[in-house]
Amino acid sequence: DVKVTQSSRYLVKRTGEKVFLECVQDMDHENMFWYRQDPGLGLRLIYFSYDVKMKEKGDIPEGYSVSREKKERFSLILESASTNQTSMYLCASTSSGRDYGYTFGSGTRLTVV
Amino acid sequence: GDSVTQMEGPVTLSEEAFLTINCTYTATGYPSLFWYVQYPGEGLQLLLKATKADDKGSNKGFEATYRKETTSFHLEKGSVQVSDSAVYFCALSKGSGYSTLTFGKGTMLLVSP
Repeated sequence: DVKVTQSSRYLVKRTGEKVFLECVQDMDHENMFWYRQDPGLGLRLIYFSYDVKMKEKGDIPEGYSVSREKKERFSLILESASTNQTSMYLCASTSSGRDYGYTFGSGTRLTVV
Repeated sequence: GDSVTQMEGPVTLSEEAFLTINCTYTATGYPSLFWYVQYPGEGLQLLLKATKADDKGSNKGFEATYRKETTSFHLEKGSVQVSDSAVYFCALSKGSGYSTLTFGKGTMLLVSP
């Protein structure tokens, strides 16, 4: 069964820490995405990547960076975590082309205290 | 820019009732349209899709028809079950090669026995 796996289901971090969220897909997809999900706001795109070492900013990239050193792995980095980054983070991947749906991971619920 | 508007929830229904969740969109070009479902504690799953005008997507008893004249993609099901309780997201693709999706804010469905 094809999968997108997020390394942690729940994380608690302190303000100012550097936080790494990891995502791995086994479908050989070109495109990978990081979203955050907040009540009343839906899903908002943070960053995406369409190839190894390539990245593009989404709608809310401030305070985040990403890394894609291998095709199957896409990491989201919170350089200095803040309480307003407490959220559910969802990783997704898809093949190129507008007709393909995303495959999502189960999400990481991050709490910054 | 592109946007998706969904009816606000929660939508509360009794088992076997008819379901409609409204979705309208604003987009340039000819987007593909999607419905995703998120069960409690999980990531999003693709429910159905339609890639051109007048297409009907269907899955698990759910249906939605791509109406370009009304820019709508309403989700319907003839008889809901308790197990359909979830959050439903309407989304469109921007049509670029990167396959980014724009999501609505989601509609929670609660079905009681």
